[in-house]
Amino acid sequence: DTAVSQTPKYLVTQMGNDKSIKCEQNLGHDTMYWYKQDSKKFLKIMFSYNNKELIINETVPNRFSPKSPDKAHLNLHINSLELGDSAVYFCASSQGVGWYEQYFGPGTRLTVT
Amino acid sequence: GENVEQHPSTLSVQEGDSAVIKCTYSDSASNYFPWYKQELGKGPQLIIDIRSNVGEKKDQRIAVTLNKTAKHFSLHITETQPEDSAVYFCAAGYSTLTFGKGTMLLVSP
Repeated sequence: DTAVSQTPKYLVTQMGNDKSIKCEQNLGHDTMYWYKQDSKKFLKIMFSYNNKELIINETVPNRFSPKSPDKAHLNLHINSLELGDSAVYFCASSQGVGWYEQYFGPGTRLTVT
Repeated sequence: GENVEQHPSTLSVQEGDSAVIKCTYSDSASNYFPWYKQELGKGPQLIIDIRSNVGEKKDQRIAVTLNKTAKHFSLHITETQPEDSAVYFCAAGYSTLTFGKGTMLLVSP
């Protein structure tokens, strides 16, 4: 059973398009995250939700909009895609906020051409 | 905000040798220090973590030490094996985690 799953695994699109990445966890966790990993492997948090409420919103362009329809799902919608958005996006979940293990999904490699 | 520095960026060892990766952090409020291993094409996976009330923790071939006064913590892997080859990330925080830039560990047979 996959604990944290993401779809799609690969996403190739052109500049200016709008795309969404979906994330689901079956661990019963209350907290979910979106991370961006750039070409140099730098992993940076973008958003965090706890019980469907946004609790962390790092300095991310407002073209990125997360949505949590329920505690098990956290989707990421990106408007007007730019070349610099190309990266691997990871969803993660944890039992709560703070010192809990974060379980990462397999990642979505987004390529903007 | 928190700033985490990680060294070295690349580490090559022979199978059976030990490997040490070091991290420093800036925010004295940070109380949680996990280490993640990321294999090619996969998401990071927790391998060991330590909380601020503990100075050292060991799990088989892996150990982590924490010096809160100096604000640094280290990962020690003994008897390295080729399957240990991966990118390792340290992280620090309390409500959210800030990750280091990663260390690519290469273990040669």
